[in-house]
Amino acid sequence: GEDVEQSLFLSVREGDSSVINCTYTDSSSTYLYWYKQEPGAGLQLLTYIFSNMDMKQDQRLTVLLNKKDKHLSLRIADTQTGDSAIYFCAEGTGRRALTFGSGTRLQVQP
Amino acid sequence: DAGITQSPRHKVTETGTPVTLRCHQTENHRYMYWYRQDPGHGLRLIHYSYGVKDTDKGEVSDGYSVSRSKTEDFLLTLESATSSQTSVYFCAISRLAGGLSSYEQYFGPGTRLTVT
Repeated sequence: GEDVEQSLFLSVREGDSSVINCTYTDSSSTYLYWYKQEPGAGLQLLTYIFSNMDMKQDQRLTVLLNKKDKHLSLRIADTQTGDSAIYFCAEGTGRRALTFGSGTRLQVQP
Repeated sequence: DAGITQSPRHKVTETGTPVTLRCHQTENHRYMYWYRQDPGHGLRLIHYSYGVKDTDKGEVSDGYSVSRSKTEDFLLTLESATSSQTSVYFCAISRLAGGLSSYEQYFGPGTRLTVT
């Protein structure tokens, strides 16, 4: 079956780069997504990458995809305290519902 | 945020009572989903809908039913609430990103349900 795995916790200092990693098992996934969830809030779509791409950059966010190893990462440059949140990786194909990882809690220390 | 609202936002109910959660969207999207979020599990799919009166089960559908009689409303019913259904429930819609043939999924603000 489909499975998406993430590490549970990451702590960085303000101004450093953060790298959140994700692995997935469904090789038919067309898109891989990153969502951000702040306490008590819904999920905010941050960015996503098509499975035939290696990299996507969007301002401070860089997504890297290694399709051979089914590994996805999200790099946040110049991490700020406002980036503290839970980050979810998800995979999907077309209109199908997404399969989510269990989330990585990012803590940014001043 | 794709114009998605959920009601109620918080609810406390007793074991054995029926509960209905409502998801309302204003942008006429066909594809809608109900997920539940629990610690350590991320989000798991309960039911989904590809249009009016077109619904199907997801990964964790036992104890839940859904209805979609209008495009804008997707209702989730807990037929007889149990403590294991204490969770945060999220509704989502899926829409095509213009010109990219890619689907983007957007979420409502969530409903926190406590079953005592």
